[in-house]
Amino acid sequence: AQKVTQAQTEISVVEKEDVTLDCVYETRDTTYYLFWYKQPPSGELVFLIRRNSFDEQNEISGRYSWNFQKSTSSFNFTITASQVVDSAVYFCALKPSYIPTFGRGTSLIVHP
Amino acid sequence: GAGVSQSPRYKVAKRGQDVALRCDPISGHVSLFWYQQALGQGPEFLTYFQNEAQLDKSGLPSDRFFAERPEGSVSTLKIQRTQQEDSAVYLCASSLSGGEANYGYTFGSGTRLTVV
Repeated sequence: AQKVTQAQTEISVVEKEDVTLDCVYETRDTTYYLFWYKQPPSGELVFLIRRNSFDEQNEISGRYSWNFQKSTSSFNFTITASQVVDSAVYFCALKPSYIPTFGRGTSLIVHP
Repeated sequence: GAGVSQSPRYKVAKRGQDVALRCDPISGHVSLFWYQQALGQGPEFLTYFQNEAQLDKSGLPSDRFFAERPEGSVSTLKIQRTQQEDSAVYLCASSLSGGEANYGYTFGSGTRLTVV
């Protein structure tokens, strides 16, 4: 069985602060993919990143960065210099086979 | 189309009523998923299609839930005799691949079902 834990239910920051969203996963599979999605108030899940289990290289895309550590089964997401438009619910997902399993999400509120 | 389209966007049903939710995936996408997202929760898997074949329906909560994709494109999720606990957002996602984890998933905006 697989499981994704996002322990932070809600995070509130002031604009320009850095913020890290935690994701811890469990799976017995040796090959799997990890994802992060953003869900703005409109409801649509927006794909942010996909990472396979063999690639532990950290990735940076603009203000977003991801830290994948297989040893601790974590795939954390950092937003640098947060903006009000970053306010949304962020989901981490695990895909060992063909069905992605989602965490419960972290609601990020960025205040001006 | 350019994205995954779901209709209706909102649906209010009286308890006991049957409902049908439609998903129009991206043209050419082989895989199609239905998820149920309760308020404040993450999406929970319901069922998966590869073309017209329903390969996994293990997430359907009861036999009142039924999904089909007869021609391998548009899919319909039907809920019979709706109950209040069925109130949720129903999300549809499609993927180009036939099951390999090489591609991301494109989600629709969902149908918000409220059973009163």
